[in-house]
Amino acid sequence: AQSVTQPDIHITVSEGASLELRCNYSYGATPYLFWYVQSPGQGLQLLLKYFSGDTLVQGIKGFEAEFKRSQSSFNLRKPSVHWSDAAEYFCAMTTDSWGKLQFGAGTQVVVTP
Amino acid sequence: EAGVTQFPSHSVIEKGQTVTLRCDPISGHDNLYWYRRVMGKEIKFLLHFVKESKQDESGMPNNRFLAERTGGTYSTLKVQPAELEDSGVYFCASSQDGSRANVLTFGAGSRLTVL
Repeated sequence: AQSVTQPDIHITVSEGASLELRCNYSYGATPYLFWYVQSPGQGLQLLLKYFSGDTLVQGIKGFEAEFKRSQSSFNLRKPSVHWSDAAEYFCAMTTDSWGKLQFGAGTQVVVTP
Repeated sequence: EAGVTQFPSHSVIEKGQTVTLRCDPISGHDNLYWYRRVMGKEIKFLLHFVKESKQDESGMPNNRFLAERTGGTYSTLKVQPAELEDSGVYFCASSQDGSRANVLTFGAGSRLTVL
């Protein structure tokens, strides 16, 4: 069955430290992959997407993600987090021709001073 | 450009009552999607409109949910009668094209609490 797994429900990181959020997918081919972020009181905002080509994708707010076909993963990284990065992060994929998204359960990121 | 607007932002109702959620997509976006996040679970697809037609309603949980998109503009999602398990956040999203590569713009969501 097709699925998106985010193994970490909750991550606490110190401001200035690096952050890596894990995402694994299950699908018979290469899906289109996305990372969204939801800050408190806000809608889901697209951070970055991967369709094909270069497996290292740059996004907004200093985030990047790396697609690894061999590991069925699409992990999100940021070298140095800011307090404003505290939010919930969602990995998602689409496999159908209409762009229907399938989401992971989300990872809540808390940033400490 | 105005984003995707949803209201109400929060609704609290009693079990058995009716609630209608509204979504105004970005102007010119033919594709409109509804998603739902029940507490502690994944965000799940409910349905997809292309203009005023339902392209895919495979995610609608049961016949207590009715979605409409009159004239291909705004959309409403009615829950009647509401049950406790309907509590959650309902997200609306829109996109210009409906291809696999299209990028959805999401609204802030409507939180529904059923008591």
